[in-house]
Amino acid sequence: GENVEQHPSTLSVQEGDSAVIKCTYSDSASNYFPWYKQELGKRPQLIIDIRSNVGEKKDQRIAVTLNKTAKHFSLHITETQPEDSAVYFCAASPTGRRALTFGSGTRLQVQP
Amino acid sequence: SQTIHQWPATLVQPVGSPLSLECTVEGTSNPNLYWYRQAAGRGLQLLFYSVGIGQISSEVPQNLSASRPQDRQFILSSKKLLLSDSGFYLCAWTDGQGVANYGYTFGSGTRLTVV
Repeated sequence: GENVEQHPSTLSVQEGDSAVIKCTYSDSASNYFPWYKQELGKRPQLIIDIRSNVGEKKDQRIAVTLNKTAKHFSLHITETQPEDSAVYFCAASPTGRRALTFGSGTRLQVQP
Repeated sequence: SQTIHQWPATLVQPVGSPLSLECTVEGTSNPNLYWYRQAAGRGLQLLFYSVGIGQISSEVPQNLSASRPQDRQFILSSKKLLLSDSGFYLCAWTDGQGVANYGYTFGSGTRLTVV
């Protein structure tokens, strides 16, 4: 089955710096890659997603890139703000699989 | 618009007691429904998912069970709770026509503490 590895497990940046979180997946049939943000004590919320027919997608300060050949995808946050502090989860879904496989999460701390 | 309701928000239960958590979705039909558990500071563990009434797929063998008695209702149960059942339980749904290629929407979660 699908295996998703996520790095780093913790990331501390200064306000205004960029943050990058990386994930690799094992199933070459995976075609959907969402990212979730979970603030302390709250539910995970979808922040951006990308499909396998696209290499990059941007939404304001957030971008996701996908390298199908290398089977990895990354989340990029620019001009980080304290409210970006949260745990971020990547996920992947192979065709025909009815549930997402999540990475282990990255705790991002933005220092003011 | 679609909404997901999950209750209770918090629960403290003694070891050996039963459990029933409920999740309902409004504003859609034939959703895919999921139960996840998150231990403190950890990732998201898929417990069960359902693509239709009475159809339950179990991902992890344990003392929990799930049922889907109605199209938009998903219930997580246990006959006897263990200390290791403590965690943050999340219900989620997706409108993927049977394929998980759309993002989940999670419920607000139930924080279960087994004492």
